[in-house]
Amino acid sequence: EVQLVESGGGLVQPGGSLKLSCAASGFTFSSYGMSWVRQTPDKRLELVATINSNGGSTYYPDSVKGRFTISRDNAKNTLYLQMSSLKSEDTAMYYCARGGYDYERFAYWGQGTLVTVSA
Amino acid sequence: ENVLTQSPAIMSASLGEKVTMSCRASSSVNYMYWYQQKSDASPKLWIYYTSNLAPGVPARFSGSGSGNSYSLTISSMEGEDAATYYCQQFTSSPLTFGAGTKLELK
Repeated sequence: EVQLVESGGGLVQPGGSLKLSCAASGFTFSSYGMSWVRQTPDKRLELVATINSNGGSTYYPDSVKGRFTISRDNAKNTLYLQMSSLKSEDTAMYYCARGGYDYERFAYWGQGTLVTVSA
Repeated sequence: ENVLTQSPAIMSASLGEKVTMSCRASSSVNYMYWYQQKSDASPKLWIYYTSNLAPGVPARFSGSGSGNSYSLTISSMEGEDAATYYCQQFTSSPLTFGAGTKLELK
């Protein structure tokens, strides 16, 4: 059974940093591109970052480029999202998802971890 | 950015009723993907490559469309189908999602 378990969310002040983790199991992690997708309080979904299977290629939308960094450790079957210079508009539920890179559908999603940016 | 407009935003249907929801893209796309999300749960892949049902999705669901216009249809509404459905495209970068259609049971 495929499982994606996120952790690391919480309350952070504007300008602060946070690192999210996603532990993957039930599939060959090193064979798949992975992504972080967030859902804002108004329920909209937005791709935050995506990474290819070996970690050598990444993509970020303009809204987070230069502030967020996606990475992975294939030996530990874990995906990461380092977030810095956080803004109130980054407040959202952050989902780890398998896919998103190279037109690969989001076949599996984690349960999400909530990030709240507020003073 | 390729904007996906879903309509209606909210709809309700009775048990056994046929349901159709729409997703319109601002630029033509090759395929459309659909995700189902129930309250307090994460999204689930529902339909891929426009018309292929994800594993476990009931056969009463179908997807169709081409170019700028796509739709998701339920042939006969059941209670478990009440959820929000999101469309998503990969053709244009960045990939984008629609705002969702919330389907309620009448």
